[in-house]
Amino acid sequence: GENVEQHPSTLSVQEGDSAVIKCTYSDSASNYFPWYKQELGKGPQLIIDIRSNVGEKKDQRIAVTLNKTAKHFSLHITETQPEDSAVYFCAASHNSGGSNYKLTFGKGTLLTVNP
Amino acid sequence: EADIYQTPRYLVIGTGKKITLECSQTMGHDKMYWYQQDPGMELHLIHYSYGVNSTEKGDLSSESTVSRIRTEHFPLTLESARPSHTSQYLCASSIAGAGANVLTFGAGSRLTVL
Repeated sequence: GENVEQHPSTLSVQEGDSAVIKCTYSDSASNYFPWYKQELGKGPQLIIDIRSNVGEKKDQRIAVTLNKTAKHFSLHITETQPEDSAVYFCAASHNSGGSNYKLTFGKGTLLTVNP
Repeated sequence: EADIYQTPRYLVIGTGKKITLECSQTMGHDKMYWYQQDPGMELHLIHYSYGVNSTEKGDLSSESTVSRIRTEHFPLTLESARPSHTSQYLCASSIAGAGANVLTFGAGSRLTVL
């Protein structure tokens, strides 16, 4: 089955700096890579995703890059703000015969943005 | 705003009690899931359902059980709670087919068993 490794487990940055979280996956058939943000007391929420036919996707201060050859993808947050402080999860999945789109999550990264 | 609701949000009970965690979604999603989140943040899939009368065990073995009698409702039950069941339980849902891997999560139910 799929295995997703996520690093670092904790990340502390100063407000205004950039933050990068990296994930690797093992199943070359995976073709969908979402990122979820979990704020304190809430459930994870999808913030951005990328599919295997795209190398990079950007949404305001958030961008995700994908390297299919190396089987790794990264989340980049620029100009960090205190409200970016949360736990971030990467995930991977693929369409296995149309019956199962099971997501495999990384273990999460606790991002702290210091004012 | 997420249209998936979990109750109770917080529950403290004694060992041996039976509990049911409720999960309801108003989006008409066919697929529903239960994740257990440990203090180290990691998400573990414990149950999922592809539709009414369909339930499957997830990657992490759990003593809990689930039922799916109605599309919108996916309750999780522990017949006899133990301290080892203390955890955060997250419910999620998704559509079937293309896009089925986009999950909408509830806010979670934090269970403490004394």
